[in-house]
Amino acid sequence: ETGVTQSPTHLIKTRGQQVTLRCSSQSGHNTVSWYQQALGQGPQFIFQYYREEENGRGNFPPRFSGLQFPNYSSELNVNALELDDSALYLCASSSRLAGRGQETQYFGPGTRLLVL
Amino acid sequence: GDSVTQMEGPVTLSEEAFLTINCTYTATGYPSLFWYVQYPGEGLQLLLKATKADDKGSNKGFEATYRKETTSFHLEKGSVQVSDSAVYFCALSDQMDGGSQGNLIFGKGTKLSVKP
Repeated sequence: ETGVTQSPTHLIKTRGQQVTLRCSSQSGHNTVSWYQQALGQGPQFIFQYYREEENGRGNFPPRFSGLQFPNYSSELNVNALELDDSALYLCASSSRLAGRGQETQYFGPGTRLLVL
Repeated sequence: GDSVTQMEGPVTLSEEAFLTINCTYTATGYPSLFWYVQYPGEGLQLLLKATKADDKGSNKGFEATYRKETTSFHLEKGSVQVSDSAVYFCALSDQMDGGSQGNLIFGKGTKLSVKP
């Protein structure tokens, strides 16, 4: 158990809809990263949030957006869903400390999204 | 850009057999290297890590040594158990300016099945 929780665990949407996924970071962690894991593939980095601001982004279109809240929890929003968005979405929390950089990332159990 | 290449699976072994899963990487900076494990239906768990050349990470009988000269981080275990059946991911996290770690870049994963 990493202490990172995600909700919901499963979700079914139709093409064109919007979805919001949620992540609560491990106690003491101030950084949240989101990853997309397609079936049979390794996770791919979507973006990272630190101090409520986006702090790095992978090769994903703007319809993937996020938020981080003062308690360091985070949301991933995906607009205009496409069939290829079907995947396991993983959240990882870590601690970024001044002068020490970012520590190891710890993953939640993921949200499995199916787009029909 | 940075990348990770893992041996393709699936790998099927008998209980108590020796395990090696090969991993090589390409990076322009000085990455930290990780092995994560994913059990069926679950998120990723950190198995072990190494942050600089010649470091050896170890956990639960698994080991991997950071070899800068061969850009490799092969995972080994002397005697596998049925409970080790899972998908194993090799990953790197590149050093950003100031020494902080960037996002994780994963290999495609290697599925291990251990038969009794």
